[in-house]
This record gives sequence, structure tokens and C-alpha cells, in this order.
Amino acid sequence: EAGVTQFPSHSVIEKGQTVTLRCDPISGHDNLYWYRRVMGKEIKFLLHFVKESKQDESGMPNNRFLAERTGGTYSTLKVQPAELEDSGVYFCASSSGTSLSYEQYFGPGTRLTVT
Amino acid sequence: GEDVEQSLFLSVREGDSSVINCTYTDSSSTYLYWYKQEPGAGLQLLTYIFSNMDMKQDQRLTVLLNKKDKHLSLRIADTQTGDSAIYFCAESSSSASKIIFGSGTRLSIRP
Repeated sequence: EAGVTQFPSHSVIEKGQTVTLRCDPISGHDNLYWYRRVMGKEIKFLLHFVKESKQDESGMPNNRFLAERTGGTYSTLKVQPAELEDSGVYFCASSSGTSLSYEQYFGPGTRLTVT
Repeated sequence: GEDVEQSLFLSVREGDSSVINCTYTDSSSTYLYWYKQEPGAGLQLLTYIFSNMDMKQDQRLTVLLNKKDKHLSLRIADTQTGDSAIYFCAESSSSASKIIFGSGTRLSIRP
């Protein structure tokens, strides 16, 4: 079974540009989460999809960030326009959504560098 | 709000035990986790404990939970060079909700 995949693995962009990160969850997982770790600090929650609906987007930092999950499969996270403080590692995770499923499976992350 | 605190660095001698400590603030935490991140890799769930448990042992790993003090620890027995990684303490209030992470403890092993 393939794990959570993320693309690209690393992106370097200039301030003011746009970047789109993609996450492919484990097949059949209804729950999809985005997190990010900025400058070696804690990993912070951004948002949670259940299928194609946003269940919790309380962690989204501002309106420069737009997450979508059309069709309830893969998800994209767009940053427009990117700022220096957006640099960090963006993790995606998925879980099956059953009451016994405690584990969120994480992808390898996308390292975003804004210069 | 919810907060998870842990020390940033730990250095141990190969073969010794490593103990990584963590404190959290959310009294409604139901699940407490330890994640491991090796260089260039994603987050791997090492182990977890439910809040109604005091201890969980899994091979070289022992997790201790003091719910009264909101203190969680991870002990790695017979630490090996392959244990070098960043260890994240984390908690969530339910199995499907967001996970709150600490800043991670970088464990380094010296010969």
C-alpha cells in the first residue's frame, strides 16, 4: 500500500510568487490534514478535510493560503503571494476516519524556501 | 490554548538509555504520541498512549504518563546510532482531530 505522497519535495521561490503544494493521501482515507513546521519550531496544524469538506481550518495563518480537495482525493495548498515567513516544511497526513483509527500517516513533507 | 513543551536537545552515549521528557497543557488530551523524524524523512509514529494509561512498553521503548502533572516521557533502552533523530511529543483530544506537537527533541548519540 502506497503511503502519503507529497509534491514537490522542495520548492524555492521568490517573495511575491505563487506556489502550489500537492498531497496524495493513502487511498480510501477520508481525513486529510495539513501541518507545517517553521524555522525548527513546533509542527503546527493548518487544516483538516473530511472528504472534500473543510472540517477545521482554524490553523490557516491568513488568506494568502488556500487549500482545496476537489473530489475528496488529493489536496492542494496554494500560497499566494508567498512571504519570507512562509518558509518551512509542509506536512500532509491522512487517516481512515474510523473510530478505531488513531493514527495519522504523514508524508515526507515539502520544504518551501521563500527568498 | 493547547501547548506541548519539550527540550530541544539530548545527547547520550551509545548503549545508554535516553529519556525524553514532555509536558502538555490540554487536560482534555485523550491520545499522547511520540513521533520520530529521521533526516530527510517524514514523521513516523513511534508509539502512543491513551490518557487512561500510566505506562506502555514496546520492545526498547517505554512511555510513562503522569496525567496529574501532564508529563509524558519516552525512554529508549540501549540507545543505538540508528536512534538519532528528532522526537516529537504530541497530543490530540480525539482520534480524528488535529494533533498538537511540541518543537521536537533532537537526540544525538555519541560513541
